[in-house]
Amino acid sequence: QSALTQPRSVSGSPGQSVTISCTGTSSDVGGYNYVSWYQQHPGKAPKLMIYDVSKRPSGVPDRFSGSKSGNTASLTISGLQAEDESDYYCCSYAGSYTYYVFGTGTKVTVL
Amino acid sequence: EVQLVQSGTEVKKPGESLTISCKGSGYSFTSYWISWVRQMPGKGLEWMGRIDPTDSYTNYSPSFQGHFTISADKSVSTAYLLWSSLKASDTAMYYCARHSTPIAAAVSFDSWGQGTLLTVSS
Repeated sequence: QSALTQPRSVSGSPGQSVTISCTGTSSDVGGYNYVSWYQQHPGKAPKLMIYDVSKRPSGVPDRFSGSKSGNTASLTISGLQAEDESDYYCCSYAGSYTYYVFGTGTKVTVL
Repeated sequence: EVQLVQSGTEVKKPGESLTISCKGSGYSFTSYWISWVRQMPGKGLEWMGRIDPTDSYTNYSPSFQGHFTISADKSVSTAYLLWSSLKASDTAMYYCARHSTPIAAAVSFDSWGQGTLLTVSS
């Protein structure tokens, strides 16, 4: 099972919007509405930002949003802030043999 | 407050055995599965396997099959990751993470341990 494909990096100025894609197959992203997104600051544990494609846990700012079309899920950060500079990983259920697969990770840089 | 607290940094030699731990608190430990996730230096997250603390039923990623064991002791609310013979390629940060739901497909990882750094070197 290969990792889901994410762009290596994206960047934007404060206040702008950035979107991170997460491309898989019909066996993972496209087959289930169970994509989650994680933020990981350097040296820290990952933090859940989005689950079930587009739901936000309590405490996550509403500038973070998720969506999915076909085999590609997306995380959009609107109104980019300096503290959003981090690594982001998607994750999808991939069936009862592989179970869970993460994306390759994307570094978000705030210019 | 839900917390997962992992054991500390380890430095081992190839061929040695090791157990690292993940202690849950602030919730009913047997109500949520625990997964282990590897992050090699400078690399991304990789799902290794999961355990149901109620009965210690486990599933492993096909990518890692056979090289380690996941166990749990519900009496002390702790999950474990065990190696019987470490390799240099096991050098990584290891995280435990709590499943958000007992439904396998609908899982997201809603709480994470702080990580255990393992270095394997001769």
